[in-house]
Amino acid sequence: NAGVTQTPKFRILKIGQSMTLQCAQDMNHNYMYWYRQDPGMGLKLIYYSVGAGITDKGEVPNGYNVSRSTTEDFPLRLELAAPSQTSVYFCASSYSYEQFFGPGTRLTVL
Amino acid sequence: GESVGLHLPTLSVQEGDNSIINCAYSNSASDYFIWYKQESGKGPQFIIDIRSNMDKRQGQRVTVLLNKTVKHLSLQIAATQPGDSAVYFCAENENQGGKLIFGQGTELSVKP
Repeated sequence: NAGVTQTPKFRILKIGQSMTLQCAQDMNHNYMYWYRQDPGMGLKLIYYSVGAGITDKGEVPNGYNVSRSTTEDFPLRLELAAPSQTSVYFCASSYSYEQFFGPGTRLTVL
Repeated sequence: GESVGLHLPTLSVQEGDNSIINCAYSNSASDYFIWYKQESGKGPQFIIDIRSNMDKRQGQRVTVLLNKTVKHLSLQIAATQPGDSAVYFCAENENQGGKLIFGQGTELSVKP
């Protein structure tokens, strides 16, 4: 199993550009999550999903959108990138409480 | 603010010593707690977990202690090695749906 995969690994965006961060898992987990991690800080939940077709906001959803059309994929969309969205983004999935994390996407908005 | 927090942001220990990383939580209804290790440039990795019906759980070189009276969680690492250098996060479950609330993290540095 590949576990949780994320693409791209790194990306630099200009202010106002948009992009989609990809996340996929092959463990057939119902739950999937998107976090952001700012330097020296913990993980903040952006959005999560309890199954295909169901998504909900986390602690910091503003400026982001998600969709969950399949069990495997959970893309995160940034519509109008802002410098405040410079961060490392982690996707995770779980069957129950233990979450399995991807390697992260480092995003810089200039 | 976050309901899970850590007492010390950094911890430096000598190789071979035991390490203790502490965590406070505020939600007395939480019934699941987990420790993650995050190495530089990587995603968090599971270390050990514990349910609220237990006080102690042991893994390989790691022990988690749960004190529900004072809402305190600790991670003990025996015979700390250079490979243990990382940021350690505690987390608690939030009601249902598998959501976790993460603490800020403690950076463990192991001196050779």
